[in-house]
Amino acid sequence: DAGITQSPRHKVTETGTPVTLRCHQTENHRYMYWYRQDPGHGLRLIHYSYGVKDTDKGEVSDGYSVSRSKTEDFLLTLESATSSQTSVYFCAIMEGQGSADTQYFGPGTRLTVL
Amino acid sequence: QQQVKQSPQSLIVQKGGISIINCAYENTAFDYFPWYQQFPGKGPALLIAIRPDVSEKKEGRFTISFNKSAKQFSLHIMDSQPGDSATYFCAASNGGNYQLIWGAGTKLIIKP
Repeated sequence: DAGITQSPRHKVTETGTPVTLRCHQTENHRYMYWYRQDPGHGLRLIHYSYGVKDTDKGEVSDGYSVSRSKTEDFLLTLESATSSQTSVYFCAIMEGQGSADTQYFGPGTRLTVL
Repeated sequence: QQQVKQSPQSLIVQKGGISIINCAYENTAFDYFPWYQQFPGKGPALLIAIRPDVSEKKEGRFTISFNKSAKQFSLHIMDSQPGDSATYFCAASNGGNYQLIWGAGTKLIIKP
């Protein structure tokens, strides 16, 4: 599992509250990703990081922000959660140096926004 | 042009049969085509991948067929088993982008 953990694994929150999800890796990989998974949409990239303090937006970044102050931690923040952000969130790392190397996924966080 | 279109959305196959899932893409710059397998409650995991310099890659019961001219690739699962029941995703990437473009997924059920 490439040493990836996500916390929390489950969270129920109310509309308008801030939420932070954490991804932690133990193997010093440079590239880290946040995806959301929804039925019928597959995996959609929210944000990704290519190093400490280096991040960029994915296709569904609105309403989300990220931070990476240490190589091992990549945080995803919903500043003011909405019901449309109810989803399963996966963190991934890319192993290797090339762009075609394998992405390994964490176990996911199931977020419910009421 | 960045899309990867995957079909079917769901598939039921009898045990011992062949499961076939198809993907199509538009961006000719894509040069890496992986398939991921996801079991309920787990993250996706790489199953098999191919580059466009070969037309087929086989690993055990799993085969990717790649048709560069048609811009299509498919996953074949031979002698399908109930343990193969999962959701399968195709994806594609192009060099230097460090991102995968994902298909919408296929839920495969193998009936005993």
